[in-house]
Amino acid sequence: AQTVTQSQPEMSVQEAETVTLSCTYDTSESDYYLFWYKQPPSRQMILVIRQEAYKQQNATENRFSVNFQKAAKSFSLKISDSQLGDAAMYFCAYRVFQGGSEKLVFGKGTKLTVNP
Amino acid sequence: EAQVTQNPRYLITVTGKKLTVTCSQNMNHEYMSWYRQDPGLGLRQIYYSMNVEVTDKGDVPEGYKVSRKEKRNFPLILESPSPNQTSLYFCASSLQTVGEQYFGPGTRLTVT
Repeated sequence: AQTVTQSQPEMSVQEAETVTLSCTYDTSESDYYLFWYKQPPSRQMILVIRQEAYKQQNATENRFSVNFQKAAKSFSLKISDSQLGDAAMYFCAYRVFQGGSEKLVFGKGTKLTVNP
Repeated sequence: EAQVTQNPRYLITVTGKKLTVTCSQNMNHEYMSWYRQDPGLGLRQIYYSMNVEVTDKGDVPEGYKVSRKEKRNFPLILESPSPNQTSLYFCASSLQTVGEQYFGPGTRLTVT
């Protein structure tokens, strides 16, 4: 069964510093997509970054980057120059389409606190 | 503005009283999906639809129904709500089945 594990229920970082959130997943598929979503107190789910499994290059979006290790099934999120507005729940998600059905699995989330 | 809308945003109801949560998107997306979010469990998929008249179960479909009669709308129906369906519900859509999904603002449902 496909699973997504976020081993850090909570993390904290000082403003302007860097933090890395961990995510591992379990799958037997070779073609899939990985995402990081941010959920601030407003509860809105906001896409932070995406990674296609067939791409070796790690995705980057401004201060957000990933370390995608396909063999290790690891997909960590690095936030550089942390800002107060980065405080939120962060969810890692895995998505694959196989055999005519779609599978999307979320991790349980990591709560990130940014200290001024 | 491209968006996914849900209504109502908040709903308090009683056990057994049928309700519908509407979801609409204006991006011409083929794919739509419903999730529930519970503390400590992340988001779990209830149902999804890959196109009009095509729906399929997710991980937690029990107690829910959906329909997809139009491309833009994907309502979630609770025929006989129970307290264990108290949750935060999200609708999402995407252009393809494996692209990123765009989420609605969420519906907070309480069943007493």
